[in-house]
Amino acid sequence: GENVEQHPSTLSVQEGDSAVIKCTYSDSASNYFPWYKQELGKGPQLIIDIRSNVGEKKDQRIAVTLNKTAKHFSLHITETQPEDSAVYFCAASWGGTYKYIFGTGTRLKVLA
Amino acid sequence: SAVISQKPSRDICQRGTSLTIQCQVDSQVTMMFWYRQQPGQSLTLIATANQGSEATYESGFVIDKFPISRPNLTFSTLTVSNMSPEDSSIYLCSVAGLAGYNEQFFGPGTRLTVL
Repeated sequence: GENVEQHPSTLSVQEGDSAVIKCTYSDSASNYFPWYKQELGKGPQLIIDIRSNVGEKKDQRIAVTLNKTAKHFSLHITETQPEDSAVYFCAASWGGTYKYIFGTGTRLKVLA
Repeated sequence: SAVISQKPSRDICQRGTSLTIQCQVDSQVTMMFWYRQQPGQSLTLIATANQGSEATYESGFVIDKFPISRPNLTFSTLTVSNMSPEDSSIYLCSVAGLAGYNEQFFGPGTRLTVL
């Protein structure tokens, strides 16, 4: 079955610097890759996603890149702010199942 | 997206008892899911709640322990039965199929502590 690995598990950056989180998936049939942000005491919030027919997608300070050949995708956050501090999860989905396999999560700390 | 609410937001329960968690969505959705998130861990899918039929459970989860109802397209319940301290987790519902897309949107979660 599908497996998603996520690195690093924790990441500390200075405010204003960039942060990059990487995920690798195993099933080449996966075709949809969302990223979620989870703040303490809240449910995961969808922040950006990418489909397998696209190599990169941007939304203001966040971007996601996908390398289908290598089966990995990455979240990029530029000009980080303290409010970016949270746990970030990647996920992979395939076909029209709607089912996700989640990565293990990255705890991002942005230091003021 | 959709507005999703869960009740209760948190509870503390005694071992051997059961708790029913409710998930309400403000619009009709095709798919509803239930997840478990153990402290400091990732999300694990428990089951897909199917409207009008029995839920579809993932490996390691059984109906006797986690009975699920979905009476209509906006509401679902998850019961955690015969609880033990190992059931202490956050339980999350999510929805998908809005406008035909496969994005999932999550509720705020129910934080369960079993003593």
